Amino acid sequence: EADIYQTPRYLVIGTGKKITLECSQTMGHDKMYWYQQDPGMELHLIHYSYGVNSTEKGDLSSESTVSRIRTEHFPLTLESARPSHTSQYLCASSPQWNGDEQFFGPGTRLTVL
Amino acid sequence: AQSVTQPDIHITVSEGASLELRCNYSYGATPYLFWYVQSPGQGLQLLLKYFSGDTLVQGIKGFEAEFKRSQSSFNLRKPSVHWSDAAEYFCAVGDLTGGFKTIFGAGTRLFVKA
Repeated sequence: EADIYQTPRYLVIGTGKKITLECSQTMGHDKMYWYQQDPGMELHLIHYSYGVNSTEKGDLSSESTVSRIRTEHFPLTLESARPSHTSQYLCASSPQWNGDEQFFGPGTRLTVL
Repeated sequence: AQSVTQPDIHITVSEGASLELRCNYSYGATPYLFWYVQSPGQGLQLLLKYFSGDTLVQGIKGFEAEFKRSQSSFNLRKPSVHWSDAAEYFCAVGDLTGGFKTIFGAGTRLFVKA
């Protein structure tokens, strides 16, 4: 069974705050991803990682940053949140070898006031 | 550039009726194709995938999809829909260039009426 966790599930914060969205997986997957999802829109890849100490920017420009110090952990940080960051953020992981089938966490719904 | 189009933003079917969700892709080579389902408040779950071989692919929860290269399509079908199938469905294509990323369609929301 796929085990990938995201916390918090819901977050409401004020403009200018620094936040970190947590993502952890227990499957030992090398590849991890962060997507931004808005209603009625396709998922937009904002960051991904091939493994420890690897981070890449995705197709959608994002003011967030990520780190990959451990295989199982891929946190996303916003240094100064703005209302335009209001969205759902999905974390996913995949093993390197199976054609990029991805396992998703439940998501974090972020609202910036 | 690679892309995925799901022409229907939402579809309503009666419980017990058959279902077909459309997906068209743009990709230069033989694609890796996926269907995912997202229930409210949840992440995406893989329903089925096509890499090669038989063009009719069976998935979980009674779903199947057929790859038609001539039509650049990968439509999802189910012969008899259950109320629990109400969810958002995403078609996706694996992009082998630049390190294998997945490109998702905008999704089709399925409503099931009793």
